[in-house]
Amino acid sequence: DTEVTQTPKHLVMGMTNKKSLKCEQHMGHRAMYWYKQKAKKPPELMFVYSYEKLSINESVPSRFSPECPNSSLLNLHLHALQPEDSALYLCASSQDDQNEEKLFFGSGTQLSVL
Amino acid sequence: AQTVTQSQPEMSVQEAETVTLSCTYDTSESDYYLFWYKQPPSRQMILVIRQEAYKQQNATENRFSVNFQKAAKSFSLKISDSQLGDAAMYFCAYRTPNTGNQFYFGTGTSLTVIP
Repeated sequence: DTEVTQTPKHLVMGMTNKKSLKCEQHMGHRAMYWYKQKAKKPPELMFVYSYEKLSINESVPSRFSPECPNSSLLNLHLHALQPEDSALYLCASSQDDQNEEKLFFGSGTQLSVL
Repeated sequence: AQTVTQSQPEMSVQEAETVTLSCTYDTSESDYYLFWYKQPPSRQMILVIRQEAYKQQNATENRFSVNFQKAAKSFSLKISDSQLGDAAMYFCAYRTPNTGNQFYFGTGTSLTVIP
């Protein structure tokens, strides 16, 4: 299994809603990432979990709340989002080995905030 | 600071022809990894090819090869015998062991394949 699975694929939410994005991998990877991507732009790093601990938080607003319940799962909780938060949210994983590194990406959740 | 530059926002190539996408990077590290990722309209990011900086030999993966010039800090991607399925955004990326899990992406090149 070399897949990173993200759900849902599409999400429309209002500014007062609370929703969660989910990500799962079964490759034994110990690092998991959330990226935000606007159209025709590169992915922007939001958060990194390494061995289930938050290791990088790129000054993301608190309306985005990551959670790593175990080594296979990564969630992104959304609350009180703004229309400018509409984007593709990509999850990725890697082995977290300094000598063997590549990112495996999920297919993303396309989020629209109304 | 590490930066990755892709100077070609858009490129086009005739089907079956060869195209080269350019990437330059800025770093003071001697040990690092370089990647090319492809993002088709489905928006799934797919690893195309990977190069370790300590290896002088250029990486190849079937129709994809790189020209890695360490002194010039250049890492170009050559696509041979271009196919319609190669149409996508291509992102160059850089990572060094000293920056932990931080990957640096270029701004991307949109490749069109003309039938």
